[in-house]
Amino acid sequence: RKEVEQDPGPFNVPEGATVAFNCTYSNSASQSFFWYRQDCRKEPKLLMSVYSSGNEDGRFTAQLNRASQYISLLIRDSKLSDSATYLCVSNDYKLSFGAGTTVTVRA
Amino acid sequence: NAGVMQNPRHLVRRRGQEARLRCSPMKGHSHVYWYRQLPEEGLKFMVYLQKENIIDESGMPKERFSAEFPKEGPSILRIQQVVRGDSAAYFCASAKTGSTDTQYFGPGTRLTVL
Repeated sequence: RKEVEQDPGPFNVPEGATVAFNCTYSNSASQSFFWYRQDCRKEPKLLMSVYSSGNEDGRFTAQLNRASQYISLLIRDSKLSDSATYLCVSNDYKLSFGAGTTVTVRA
Repeated sequence: NAGVMQNPRHLVRRRGQEARLRCSPMKGHSHVYWYRQLPEEGLKFMVYLQKENIIDESGMPKERFSAEFPKEGPSILRIQQVVRGDSAAYFCASAKTGSTDTQYFGPGTRLTVL
């Protein structure tokens, strides 16, 4: 079983729409989680950390559900520049990456 | 404040040659991680190093691959006798401390084996 599993998508949404997707993780002892984004297979860039209490950064909201072992990301008012692959990551000093969820925002 | 630096950005090798990939961590970071992304796949952990120490190499292939992070200079990922299956993007990340500190990625080295 993979450590982190994601819905690969693709999610194809119009500008201004809200898009949300999840990932699940298998290691219940994992301590911290992140969302990274990767554009055209360039280097992953940190989008935000994920906390049990939920956290928001502008149009992005991340949530961690430890009981069900899943992590979510919601993007509001999506922009063309949000088109990317979003990587769900658990951090046990070495990062375990999901395969990524592809989001395409169309004009 | 330079980020993580990797060179070369692109490397072409013929089967059987050696590939050396270099990574300079961000200033003040003493923890280096190497990840590999094969075509159409996600990133996979390879090795975790601190200065002069290999902390975890559980993701490294058993043969032909080695890594070091000397007291002075960049971290080096070395692949001997490359094969076509080694073609991938190799990313280095650095962190200020170990544990679960945020890791910042370099631009990667894209290795193509002919």
